[in-house]
Amino acid sequence: AQSVTQPDIHITVSEGASLELRCNYSYGATPYLFWYVQSPGQGLQLLLKYFSGDTLVQGIKGFEAEFKRSQSSFNLRKPSVHWSDAAEYFCAVGGPDRGSTLGRLYFGRGTQLTVWP
Amino acid sequence: DVKVTQSSRYLVKRTGEKVFLECVQDMDHENMFWYRQDPGLGLRLIYFSYDVKMKEKGDIPEGYSVSREKKERFSLILESASTNQTSMYLCASSLYPGYGQPQHFGDGTRLSIL
Repeated sequence: AQSVTQPDIHITVSEGASLELRCNYSYGATPYLFWYVQSPGQGLQLLLKYFSGDTLVQGIKGFEAEFKRSQSSFNLRKPSVHWSDAAEYFCAVGGPDRGSTLGRLYFGRGTQLTVWP
Repeated sequence: DVKVTQSSRYLVKRTGEKVFLECVQDMDHENMFWYRQDPGLGLRLIYFSYDVKMKEKGDIPEGYSVSREKKERFSLILESASTNQTSMYLCASSLYPGYGQPQHFGDGTRLSIL
C-alpha cells in the first residue's frame, strides 16, 4: 500500500538559513512524487514534481528536491529561507502500484515551517 | 493557469442541516476530488470522480455524498451535518485519470457546524 511519512511535524529556521524537509514514501513501483505548499488560509500550491530522469528536480520559489530510491526519500531543500516561506508543506506520492487507484495521490501529514526574522 | 473555485471560504451551519459545498474548475479536467483537512491529520480523501456522474469513495466517505452532473462542477453534500464534520474542506482537480497527475487545489471552505 502507498503511504507517505513526513517525520517532522514542525520545523523552525532563521531567515537566510538553509532548509531541508524530509519525506519518506512506501511504494512498490516507480513513484510519482510531489511537494506542495499551503500558506495560511489558502489551498495547496504545487512546488515541484518528480516522474523520472534526473533525480534532482527544481521547482518554483527556489526549492529543489532529490529522489533517492535506495532510501525511499524525496527531501525538499532550499539554500536560503525567506520569511515568506513560512507555511505548511506536504509531500505526496502516486503512480501504478498494486491496489493503487488511477489518478489518486497519497499525502503526508505535513510539516509546518516557522521562519525567525 | 488552472482555476479551482470553491463557492464559500467560510460557512457556518447547524447540526442536522443538509450542507452543500460547491467546487468548479475551468480547465476541462476529468478528475475531481474532495478532501478534508484537520490539524495533525493532513489531507484525507472523502470522494473523487473520474467523469460526469461517476464517483468513487475515498478513505472517509461516511456521512458524505457527492454529485457531478457537469464536468466542471463537483459538489460535496453533508446529508445531516454533525459537529465532528467541522473542518477545512479542499477541492482539487487533475487533467485526466492517469498516474502521477498533479492536482490543482481550490482555496478551501472552512466549515463550522454548531
